[in-house]
Amino acid sequence: AQSVTQPDIHITVSEGASLELRCNYSYGATPYLFWYVQSPGQGLQLLLKYFSGDTLVQGIKGFEAEFKRSQSSFNLRKPSVHWSDAAEYFCAAPDNAGNMLTFGGGTRLMVKP
Amino acid sequence: GAGVSQSPSNKVTEKGKDVELRCDPISGHTALYWYRQSLGQGLEFLIYFQGNSAPDKSGLPSDRFSAERTGGSVSTLTIQRTQQEDSAVYLCASSLTGQPDTQYFGPGTRLTVL
Repeated sequence: AQSVTQPDIHITVSEGASLELRCNYSYGATPYLFWYVQSPGQGLQLLLKYFSGDTLVQGIKGFEAEFKRSQSSFNLRKPSVHWSDAAEYFCAAPDNAGNMLTFGGGTRLMVKP
Repeated sequence: GAGVSQSPSNKVTEKGKDVELRCDPISGHTALYWYRQSLGQGLEFLIYFQGNSAPDKSGLPSDRFSAERTGGSVSTLTIQRTQQEDSAVYLCASSLTGQPDTQYFGPGTRLTVL
């Protein structure tokens, strides 16, 4: 069965520090991959997506992610974290039929002043 | 433009009662999805509608759960005889097509079953 794994449940970084959130997937073919962010009490907001082409994708709020087939990874990065980035981040991929999303367990990001 | 909207934002009900949750997708989006977010289970797919096709109900946890989509637009998720384990945030999403496509999420309905 296809799966998406986020190994880190919680991450704390200092404001201004760089950030990398890990995401691993297990899919046979080249997957479509998404990163969403959820602030407390809010729905999910799309940060970025990878469908094909350039393996480094840029998203909103200064985030980027790199698709690495050899490592089955799609890690999310930001060079300098802001306090407003504190939220929960979800990596996701659609099933083979391209319908429902399978989500990782999420990574909760805390930002220290 | 308007995003996905859901109502109510919060619902508190007593065990055994029925509840209805509503989702208004983005206008023109043919695909609509329901997910559930709970502490123990994370984000789980429930049901998927694509155009006039029969819905994919493979994620519904029991026959107490049902959903319909009227006129290819608004959707209602119904939970009958609610149980405490139904307490969760119910998220609706829509996408322009049913192919691998960006899903846009609503703010969710937080359901609490006492």
